[in-house]
Amino acid sequence: AQSVAQPEDQVNVAEGNPLTVKCTYSVSGNPYLFWYVQYPNRGLQFLLKYITGDNLVKGSYGFEAEFNKSQTSFHLKKPSALVSDSALYFCAVRDEGTGRRALTFGSGTRLQVQP
Amino acid sequence: EPEVTQTPSHQVTQMGQEVILRCVPISNHLYFYWYRQILGQKVEFLVSFYNNEISEKSEIFDDQFSVERPDGSNFTLKIRSTKLEDSAMYFCASSRGNDFADEQYFGPGTRLTVT
Repeated sequence: AQSVAQPEDQVNVAEGNPLTVKCTYSVSGNPYLFWYVQYPNRGLQFLLKYITGDNLVKGSYGFEAEFNKSQTSFHLKKPSALVSDSALYFCAVRDEGTGRRALTFGSGTRLQVQP
Repeated sequence: EPEVTQTPSHQVTQMGQEVILRCVPISNHLYFYWYRQILGQKVEFLVSFYNNEISEKSEIFDDQFSVERPDGSNFTLKIRSTKLEDSAMYFCASSRGNDFADEQYFGPGTRLTVT
């Protein structure tokens, strides 16, 4: 079975500082990994994905994520946080080998960027 | 930019009543999904739909649930006899479907409250 863990319920960071939101995963085959962001009263918005290739993936709004196979991690990063980045962030995984398209989500991490 | 839309944004119903949640996926997408998020819990996969039939479903998606694409644009989730534990935010999503690695695009959700 596939699973995702987001160990931090909330991350606080000052505007202009770098941010990291952590995600670890478990799949039996090769992972397809995704990050989504949810703003209040909005749906989940796709940020970026890792499928194969370069371990550093760049996405929307200046976010990037680093895939680390040995640590089974896919942490979300941004070099300089903005107050407008404050939102709920979800990591999700699919197992390439299963052929299933269903995403398995983590519990979410609330990012709070202070001015 | 095309978006997934969902109606209504909030539905209140009495236990035992039938509800239909509506979604309009992105127009050229081929795969459609329903997920739900009970308050304070993870986003959970319910069902996926392709080529006018269910392609995957989770153990949550029992006989009380059904999905339909009644015309070329709408995708619906029906709950036949609602229970208190069906109270949740229901998200519709769609993906292009040409590539297994395609990301899913989510609607803003329908908050279902069963009283």
